[in-house]
Amino acid sequence: SQELEQSPQSLIVQEGKNLTINCTSSKTLYGLYWYKQKYGEGLIFLMMLQKGGEEKSHEKITAKLDEKKQQSSLHITASQPSHAGIYLCGASYGNALNFGKGTSLLVTP
Amino acid sequence: GAVVSQHPSWVICKSGTSVKIECRSLDFQATTMFWYRQFPKQSLMLMATSNEGSKATYEQGVEKDKFLINHASLTLSTLTVTSAHPEDSSFYICSARRLAGASDTQYFGPGTRLTVL
Repeated sequence: SQELEQSPQSLIVQEGKNLTINCTSSKTLYGLYWYKQKYGEGLIFLMMLQKGGEEKSHEKITAKLDEKKQQSSLHITASQPSHAGIYLCGASYGNALNFGKGTSLLVTP
Repeated sequence: GAVVSQHPSWVICKSGTSVKIECRSLDFQATTMFWYRQFPKQSLMLMATSNEGSKATYEQGVEKDKFLINHASLTLSTLTVTSAHPEDSSFYICSARRLAGASDTQYFGPGTRLTVL
């Protein structure tokens, strides 16, 4: 069974709009990772969250982990075409990462 | 930051041949590395956990005799796809686990695109 659920599966937003991607775990997380990937390329590390209630920001991207450490959100403010790609959340339960199915983001002019 | 390399970045081979993919942690030692596989428009799926000096641990449904893993040193793990077939064509990504004090982080390689004709 899929332990990590990511939503939405795909997203099309107009440039300048804000958006949110969610990642929900059926178990308490040891750590939650967010990556960005262009198709056929490697993963670009965005952020890692470990503490309940933690929030991190980098440029226009903010990631949060809830107090129970079972849900995370990735928020992009004023989206740009450069934000387009596949966003993956990866959950650590103490060993390898289990990945969500990804969210494909397209930013239109 | 920590760097993980993969070689080759892409490979095309004939059906029935074997292909070796290398994963190296360039500036840190990794007792544990992981191998993932990604099919088009799908997420990464863990294939196996590679442990330095011991046998790899394979996920359910992954044939250990087909996907040979050797973690010969603290900076190198290899994945050999034996008798490759077209259905093995995929994007293979490794990650290396870095433990530094209380920090436990995984760093991913750039991936290897395998095409089996």
